[in-house]
Amino acid sequence: GEDVEQSLFLSVREGDSSVINCTYTDSSSTYLYWYKQEPGAGLQLLTYIFSNMDMKQDQRLTVLLNKKDKHLSLRIADTQTGDSAIYFCAGRSGNTGKLIFGQGTTLQVKP
Amino acid sequence: DGGITQSPKYLFRKEGQNVTLSCEQNLNHDAMYWYRQDPGQGLRLIYYSQIVNDFQKGDIAEGYSVSREKKESFPLTVTSAQKNPTAFYLCASSIFGVPSTDTQYFGPGTRLTVL
Repeated sequence: GEDVEQSLFLSVREGDSSVINCTYTDSSSTYLYWYKQEPGAGLQLLTYIFSNMDMKQDQRLTVLLNKKDKHLSLRIADTQTGDSAIYFCAGRSGNTGKLIFGQGTTLQVKP
Repeated sequence: DGGITQSPKYLFRKEGQNVTLSCEQNLNHDAMYWYRQDPGQGLRLIYYSQIVNDFQKGDIAEGYSVSREKKESFPLTVTSAQKNPTAFYLCASSIFGVPSTDTQYFGPGTRLTVL
C-alpha cells in the first residue's frame, strides 16, 4: 500500500542548514507537503510542492523533489532554535485523495 | 479570526465511558477530517467528511463515530469500544474538489487520556 518514510531524528547546530528527507511509494502522488508540529500543538503547513516541479523555494525553506527516486527533502537554511519541532512529510494520493503521513522527523537545534 | 478550533485541549475519561471531541471551523471549507496521533508515529485517518450529512471511514474507524450536521462542525465520539483511546486527536479541514487548493489545515488538537 501507500507508504511514506522519514528518519526519526536530526540534530544540528544553530546557524547550520538542516536537511530532512522523505521517501514515498505512491507514484500517483499529486502533491507533497511538509508540516511542522511544535510540542503539544497541531500541525502547521510549511510548504507543498506539485509533482511536476523539481524544486520550490520559500524564504529559508527549499523543497527538492526527485520523482524518479520518489524522494522529497526539506532544507532549512540558517536553522534557528525556534525551528526545533517535529516535521512531517505527507503525500496526497492521486487515487484516493487522502493524505499519507510519514512518522515525523524530530529536529533538535543546539545553540 | 479564521481557523479551526478544537475543544477541550485536554480530556480525561474513565474506562467504559463515551466522550465527544469538538471541532469547529469558520474557513467555509467543505471537507473535514479526524486523525489520531500516537508517539513516534505519523497521523492516521479516523473519519472524513466531504460534504454535510455525509462521511466516510478512514483507516482506523473502529470504536469511533462522527456526525456532520453542519458545515462548520465535525464532532468525534470515542466510544467504549475503542480499545486504546489514549492519544492526541487532530482535526483538519480543506476546500474539497479543487486539487490546487485542497490543502489540509489543522486545529490545535485534543489530548485524550483514559484513566
